[in-house]
Amino acid sequence: DVKVTQSSRYLVKRTGEKVFLECVQDMDHENMFWYRQDPGLGLRLIYFSYDVKMKEKGDIPEGYSVSREKKERFSLILESASTNQTSMYLCASNSHTGNQETQYFGPGTRLLVL
Amino acid sequence: GESVGLHLPTLSVQEGDNSIINCAYSNSASDYFIWYKQESGKGPQFIIDIRSNMDKRQGQRVTVLLNKTVKHLSLQIAATQPGDSAVYFCAEANTGTASKLTFGTGTRLQVTL
Repeated sequence: DVKVTQSSRYLVKRTGEKVFLECVQDMDHENMFWYRQDPGLGLRLIYFSYDVKMKEKGDIPEGYSVSREKKERFSLILESASTNQTSMYLCASNSHTGNQETQYFGPGTRLLVL
Repeated sequence: GESVGLHLPTLSVQEGDNSIINCAYSNSASDYFIWYKQESGKGPQFIIDIRSNMDKRQGQRVTVLLNKTVKHLSLQIAATQPGDSAVYFCAEANTGTASKLTFGTGTRLQVTL
């Protein structure tokens, strides 16, 4: 079974703090994704990566950065957290080889910025 | 509590009945479609997928129907159970675009006893 894990289920941070959200997948997937999920807006893509050290902006990259130093790990960084970044953050992965477009999700990290 | 889905359309179904959840997609170039289930406090879970060269695909208790003419996707759940209560999302992709998915906003399924 595919397993995508996220480092924290719940986080509480203060405005201006630097926040790291970590995601690890064990299926040797090339592609990894970070989304945020907000009421009424569905899942919105923040950043994705299709290989180690590669990254691409998604639909809402402002205020975020990412790091992909190893194939299995994709980190989302909030350089200076703001209250409008309070959200549910979801990591996903898939492979671009063969018919493997299905994205598999982690359990999510619920972030509250005070 | 779970804040996802406060503004979602809701389908209420009695236990044992069949459920049909609908989704309209926007991109006529999309050739791959997925249904996800998201339970409260959890990440989305893959249910079933279908490619554009098919119009129907069946899984265990679930069937996905694809109508490319009107860009419509539906998920049918047979003999709905209380454990089926969740938010259901459809997603579409053009497999030539780095496997990026575009998600619908979801439908909440409530199963009543």
